[in-house]
Amino acid sequence: AQSVTQLGSHVSVSEGALVLLRCNYSSSVPPYLFWYVQYPNQGLQLLLKYTSAATLVKGINGFEAEFKKSETSFHLTKPSAHMSDAAEYFCAVSDKGSSNTGKLIFGQGTTLQVKP
Amino acid sequence: DGGITQSPKYLFRKEGQNVTLSCEQNLNHDAMYWYRQDPGQGLRLIYYSQIVNDFQKGDIAEGYSVSREKKESFPLTVTSAQKNPTAFYLCASSFGTNYEQYFGPGTRLTVT
Repeated sequence: AQSVTQLGSHVSVSEGALVLLRCNYSSSVPPYLFWYVQYPNQGLQLLLKYTSAATLVKGINGFEAEFKKSETSFHLTKPSAHMSDAAEYFCAVSDKGSSNTGKLIFGQGTTLQVKP
Repeated sequence: DGGITQSPKYLFRKEGQNVTLSCEQNLNHDAMYWYRQDPGQGLRLIYYSQIVNDFQKGDIAEGYSVSREKKESFPLTVTSAQKNPTAFYLCASSFGTNYEQYFGPGTRLTVT
């Protein structure tokens, strides 16, 4: 069965520093992978998605993620953190396995804190 | 503007009452989903529907019910059987299976 693990429930960086949010997945078939961002008391917004095209995926707000099959990872990065990046981030994998329900399976989330 | 609307933003109910949360989308999406979000627990799938007049239970369907009579609408009823209904509820939709999901702004339900 598909699953997602986000390493680190809280990550703190200084403004202008590199942002690295880790996501590892488990999937019996080539996965579709997604990163979402959630600001307090709001819904989730899609940052980027991987659907078996280019392994380096660029998203909105300067974020990007690299699909590494050998490491079963899909880490999210941004070269320089901005105060407005403080939010909760979710990694998700699409349930494309034998059941193929198309459901998204979400990680537990990582809260990003950006210090001035 | 295309999107997903959820109403109301905040909802308060007394214990023992059923309550219905609204979700409407004008994206012409076939699939719709309901999630529950609790602090530190990520998103948990309650129900989903891939087509009108059909829906399936998610991981935590007990105490909830849904209907999908129209493509654009997927209301969720939180029944009195739900033991711990206070949570943030999110509705989402997608073109179909394996596509990215688009989320509404959420409804925060408080039951006392």
